[in-house]
Amino acid sequence: AQTVTQSQPEMSVQEAETVTLSCTYDTSESDYYLFWYKQPPSRQMILVIRQEAYKQQNATENRFSVNFQKAAKSFSLKISDSQLGDAAMYFCAYRRGWGQGGSEKLVFGKGTKLTVNP
Amino acid sequence: DTGVSQDPRHKITKRGQNVTFRCDPISEHNRLYWYRQTLGQGPEFLTYFQNEAQLEKSRLLSDRFSAERPKGSFSTLEIQRTEQGDSAMYLCASSSQFGALNTEAFFGQGTRLTVV
Repeated sequence: AQTVTQSQPEMSVQEAETVTLSCTYDTSESDYYLFWYKQPPSRQMILVIRQEAYKQQNATENRFSVNFQKAAKSFSLKISDSQLGDAAMYFCAYRRGWGQGGSEKLVFGKGTKLTVNP
Repeated sequence: DTGVSQDPRHKITKRGQNVTFRCDPISEHNRLYWYRQTLGQGPEFLTYFQNEAQLEKSRLLSDRFSAERPKGSFSTLEIQRTEQGDSAMYLCASSSQFGALNTEAFFGQGTRLTVV
């Protein structure tokens, strides 16, 4: 079974600074996707960024980027120029690749609570 | 389409009562998922539908839980004889997979269940 581990229950960052959230995962599958989801206090989960395992290039989305280390099974999220609106729970998640059968359900870590200080 | 909609947003019930939650997915999405999220934890998978067929259930889904998705549109999740341990946020998500056209999961705002 796949597992996702987030070892930082809480992190804080000053507004405009950079913060990195850590995630490690375990799988025996070769075709999979990794995600970072944001869950603000309103509780709706929002997709932040996605990384395909077969791609060596790290994904970026504006101020958000990942450091994907496939051999180490590590997938960290870097938030640059942090904003007050970035404050939320951040969840790392795993999904098997398309077309492998099954539900392609998401497997989540326990989350990291990010506080942004003005 | 405004996204995945869940109703009610909050539910307080007495132990032993039955409750039913509803999820309306994004209209063109053929896949629908239910997750449960307890305090301080990430969401955990409960069950999955592709169109109207329930294709996978987690062992977390005890006999007291049942989910349906008639006609492949909205879905309901019923919990019978609720227990205090059922208190959690129940999240619904939908996605689509049509050949090469795939989307990632979009989540609703959840239903917060409190069993007293």
